[in-house]
Amino acid sequence: GENVEQHPSTLSVQEGDSAVIKCTYSDSASNYFPWYKQELGKRPQLIIDIRSNVGEKKDQRIAVTLNKTAKHFSLHITETQPEDSAVYFCAAIDLSYSSASKIIFGSGTRLSIRP
Amino acid sequence: ETGVTQSPTHLIKTRGQQVTLRCSSQSGHNTVSWYQQALGQGPQFIFQYYREEENGRGNFPPRFSGLQFPNYSSELNVNALELDDSALYLCAGGRGGLQETQYFGPGTRLLVL
Repeated sequence: GENVEQHPSTLSVQEGDSAVIKCTYSDSASNYFPWYKQELGKRPQLIIDIRSNVGEKKDQRIAVTLNKTAKHFSLHITETQPEDSAVYFCAAIDLSYSSASKIIFGSGTRLSIRP
Repeated sequence: ETGVTQSPTHLIKTRGQQVTLRCSSQSGHNTVSWYQQALGQGPQFIFQYYREEENGRGNFPPRFSGLQFPNYSSELNVNALELDDSALYLCAGGRGGLQETQYFGPGTRLLVL
């Protein structure tokens, strides 16, 4: 079945430094890759996403890159701030009409920003 | 903020009991998906409904069942509760189809004793 692997499971960076979280997926039909941020006790919130027809997308301090050939995608957070501390989940989805658009999540990365 | 609400927020049940969790999504959300998130883990896909019919299912036993209603609300029913069913249950609404994503509700935290 479909699988998404996410690394690292925990990440601690100094405030102001960059953080990178990497994911790989197994289903070659996946064509949509969202990233979710989940703070303690709260719902996952979509922070950025990328479609399979582009290789990179940026939104202020957050960027995502996609390598469809290698089935890799990564989240990059620059100039990290204390409020970036949370658990981040990557996901891969096949958005075709012929299948349920179920989200396959990675196992999560707990990001801590050191002051 | 996402247009998706869930009730109740917290629930305590005992092993063997049955539970119904509810989700209300905004107009136009033709799909609703349910996820189970155990502590410290990523959400696991339970099933999805599209226009009131089940449209995909994850690796969950039949005692997990659901319904979707025309008014964009849905239910997750779990029979014969087990201790391992203790988790945060999330529903996610979306328009479905190409180029669309899903938006999560705040979740219901279920504790089975």
